[in-house]
Amino acid sequence: GESVGLHLPTLSVQEGDNSIINCAYSNSASDYFIWYKQESGKGPQFIIDIRSNMDKRQGQRVTVLLNKTVKHLSLQIAATQPGDSAVYFCAENSGGSNYKLTFGKGTLLTVNP
Amino acid sequence: GAVVSQHPSWVICKSGTSVKIECRSLDFQATTMFWYRQFPKQSLMLMATSNEGSKATYEQGVEKDKFLINHASLTLSTLTVTSAHPEDSSFYICSANQGDYGYTFGSGTRLTVV
Repeated sequence: GESVGLHLPTLSVQEGDNSIINCAYSNSASDYFIWYKQESGKGPQFIIDIRSNMDKRQGQRVTVLLNKTVKHLSLQIAATQPGDSAVYFCAENSGGSNYKLTFGKGTLLTVNP
Repeated sequence: GAVVSQHPSWVICKSGTSVKIECRSLDFQATTMFWYRQFPKQSLMLMATSNEGSKATYEQGVEKDKFLINHASLTLSTLTVTSAHPEDSSFYICSANQGDYGYTFGSGTRLTVV
C-alpha cells in the first residue's frame, strides 16, 4: 500500500550546523503534511506543517519544503542545537473525512556539541 | 493551546490481564481520536480511528476484540488491551482531532506485559 518513507534513518551534525531531513511520500492524494519531533518516551511534538498548495513554509529556525513533482518533503533546521536531538517524523494526511495521519519511518538526529 | 492528557504514562501488567488507557482532551472537543502503537526504534503505526458515539474503525491487521476502543464523549476515549501478552508491550499514543487539520498528541503510555 501507499506509505511515507525517509531516505536517511540517522543524521549526525555539529552544533551550529544546518540539518536537512528528507521524506518521500507516495500518496498523490495527500494534501497536508506535518513534521514532528519526538523525544525518547514522549509523544510527537508538532514542528511545522505545509499544505499541498504551497512549496515552502518557514518557522522559527525551521523550513519545510514540498516538491509535489517528485513527492518529496524536507525539513531544514538552521543552527542546530543539542536540544534538537530527537527522532523526526514526517506525516501526511492520507485523505478522507477522518483526517488520518500516516507517519514516515523517522530520522534520528544527533547534534554533537 | 490544545492539550491532550493520556494516562497512565506507564503500566506493568501480568500476562492475561487487561489494561485500560485513557485519553482526554482538556480544553477542546475532539471529534475524532486516533490510537497509535510504536515499537522501539520504529514509527507510529495507526491502530484505529474513533469518532464520538460510534464504533471505532480499525486498521488492517489490528484485532478489534483485543484492542477495545470506547469514545463515549467528545473529550474522552479509552483503549483497553484485553488479555495482554508480552508481544503487546509497546508505547501507545493517542491523538485528538478537532475536525480539521489540527492534531494534538498525548504523551504516550508505556505498556510492559510480564
